[in-house]
Amino acid sequence: DTEVTQTPKHLVMGMTNKKSLKCEQHMGHRAMYWYKQKAKKPPELMFVYSYEKLSINESVPSRFSPECPNSSLLNLHLHALQPEDSALYLCASSLSRTEPYGYTFGSGTRLTVV
Amino acid sequence: KQEVTQIPAALSVPEGENLVLNCSFTDSAIYNLQWFRQDPGKGLTSLLLIQSSQREQTSGRLNASLDKSSGRSTLYIAASQPGDSATYLCAVYTGTASKLTFGTGTRLQVTL
Repeated sequence: DTEVTQTPKHLVMGMTNKKSLKCEQHMGHRAMYWYKQKAKKPPELMFVYSYEKLSINESVPSRFSPECPNSSLLNLHLHALQPEDSALYLCASSLSRTEPYGYTFGSGTRLTVV
Repeated sequence: KQEVTQIPAALSVPEGENLVLNCSFTDSAIYNLQWFRQDPGKGLTSLLLIQSSQREQTSGRLNASLDKSSGRSTLYIAASQPGDSATYLCAVYTGTASKLTFGTGTRLQVTL
């Protein structure tokens, strides 16, 4: 299995809703990442988990809450989002944070906040 | 701070042409460089990964080269096809920051 699987593919949520994005990989990778991508822009790093511990938070607002329950699973909990948070959210994994040997990305979750 | 630039920003070519996409980076102390393809609204598909000690990598019609000392990489696509139409992103991994830095992307359209 050489894939990163993200669910759901599309999500529409209101500003008062709570929702979660899910990411899963079974490649034995020990680093997992959340990126945010706006239209026609490159992905921007949000969070990095290394060996199930949060190692980088790129000053992301607290309405985004990451969680890494185990080495294969990464969640992003969303609460009280703003319309400007609408974007494509990408999950990625690599062998390790310091010796990545390449990143594998998922297909993304298209999030729309109304 | 690592900065990655891709030229051109957009490119339109007729089917069958060979083409070159360029990527330049400001900090040559990279661990590796990766080329990705992204279709509209989709995730990133890894095309080629070049480690810092390598000069080039090939996969099918794609060839990527790396000149670390000058801070440049090129992606060569041979005999382009309409299915190659996508945005191509280069990304460098810098060990000191332990982060992947993306370029600005090249939007490629291959016409019939």
